[in-house]
Amino acid sequence: TQLLEQSPQFLSIQEGENLTVYCNSSSVFSSLQWYRQEPGEGPVLLVTVVTGGEVKKLKRLTFQFGDARKDSSLHITAAQPGDTGLYLCAGGSYIPTFGRGTSLIVHP
Amino acid sequence: KAGVTQTPRYLIKTRGQQVTLSCSPISGHRSVSWYQQTPGQGLQFLFEYFSETQRNKGNFPGRFSGRQFSNSRSEMNVSTLELGDSALYLCASSPRTESYNEQFFGPGTRLTVL
Repeated sequence: TQLLEQSPQFLSIQEGENLTVYCNSSSVFSSLQWYRQEPGEGPVLLVTVVTGGEVKKLKRLTFQFGDARKDSSLHITAAQPGDTGLYLCAGGSYIPTFGRGTSLIVHP
Repeated sequence: KAGVTQTPRYLIKTRGQQVTLSCSPISGHRSVSWYQQTPGQGLQFLFEYFSETQRNKGNFPGRFSGRQFSNSRSEMNVSTLELGDSALYLCASSPRTESYNEQFFGPGTRLTVL
């Protein structure tokens, strides 16, 4: 069973701060996805990383896939209240495995 | 394209009853997966249907079942409801590319079992 561990579990910051959340596994993944989920809604796909060492940017969000394809990180620059939500990483070609998520609150 | 739709959005049932949830995938997506999300366990995979056939199954009891119709719409059924079945049930469709499995989620059905 492939497991994904996310850290930190909770993060509460002020608007304008930078932050990084991590997604780690002992298994190799062919790809990893990052999702953001807002309360009462389903997760929304943000990005898929496929190649080891790959970096993808989505406005103020930067996603990185580890060289060994066992870990990934999400960095948010100058966080805004609209970034508040649960950030989930997921991987697995056949049965998607989801991490438990990082719950982010950005205070105005 | 319209997104994934799920009905109903909210349900309240009592122990022992059964429930059927419905999901309409994004047009063109033939893969539909179901997940259970709870604060304690996070997002857990229930099963995946592709072209009306169950292709993958998670570690849930047989009380949880599903089916997919020829138009890719899917239903999930839970029989003999237990208090622990209270959760957000999410449906996701996927274009199912070769190398990765991007999931496009619906808003979910919030099931409360009393």
